[in-house]
Amino acid sequence: TQLLEQSPQFLSIQEGENLTVYCNSSSVFSSLQWYRQEPGEGPVLLVTVVTGGEVKKLKRLTFQFGDARKDSSLHITAAQPGDTGLYLCAGVRVGGYQKVTFGTGTKLQVIP
Amino acid sequence: NAGVMQNPRHLVRRRGQEARLRCSPMKGHSHVYWYRQLPEEGLKFMVYLQKENIIDESGMPKERFSAEFPKEGPSILRIQQVVRGDSAAYFCASSPTRDSQAFFGQGTRLTVV
Repeated sequence: TQLLEQSPQFLSIQEGENLTVYCNSSSVFSSLQWYRQEPGEGPVLLVTVVTGGEVKKLKRLTFQFGDARKDSSLHITAAQPGDTGLYLCAGVRVGGYQKVTFGTGTKLQVIP
Repeated sequence: NAGVMQNPRHLVRRRGQEARLRCSPMKGHSHVYWYRQLPEEGLKFMVYLQKENIIDESGMPKERFSAEFPKEGPSILRIQQVVRGDSAAYFCASSPTRDSQAFFGQGTRLTVV
């Protein structure tokens, strides 16, 4: 079973602070995705990283894929209340279809 | 282009009843995935279907659960004789091809009372 562990599980920070969420696995994935899920809604894809060592930026969000394609991180700069939500990393298996293994999730609360 | 449509959004069933969850993929998408999100747990893959075919059902419970994606109409996830432990959010995702990104619907929240 491919497992993706995220840390921290919960994070409550003040508006304007920076934070990093980690996603770790012992398995290699062909690509890794990050989603944000709001209460009562489905997950929405933020980014897909494919190449080991790849870094992608989406406004204040920076995503990195580990060199060995087993881990990833999400860094948010100057967090805002609108960033509040559940962040999920998800691994796509090598050579397969879009059967995704989701991480354990990080619940982020940004306090105004 | 409408997104992935799931209905109903909320479903309440008594123990022992049947639950039928529907998923209409995005236009032009012939690949459908079902996931389950139990309370306070992550999303878990259940089944992958391509029109009229089940490709991978490795995440489906062995009993009471079935899925189909007919040539015409939505994909259906069927749960027979529901139990309290089936209470969860069920999400469907669709993609146009096997390898392309899948888009998620808003989910059906099943409550078994």
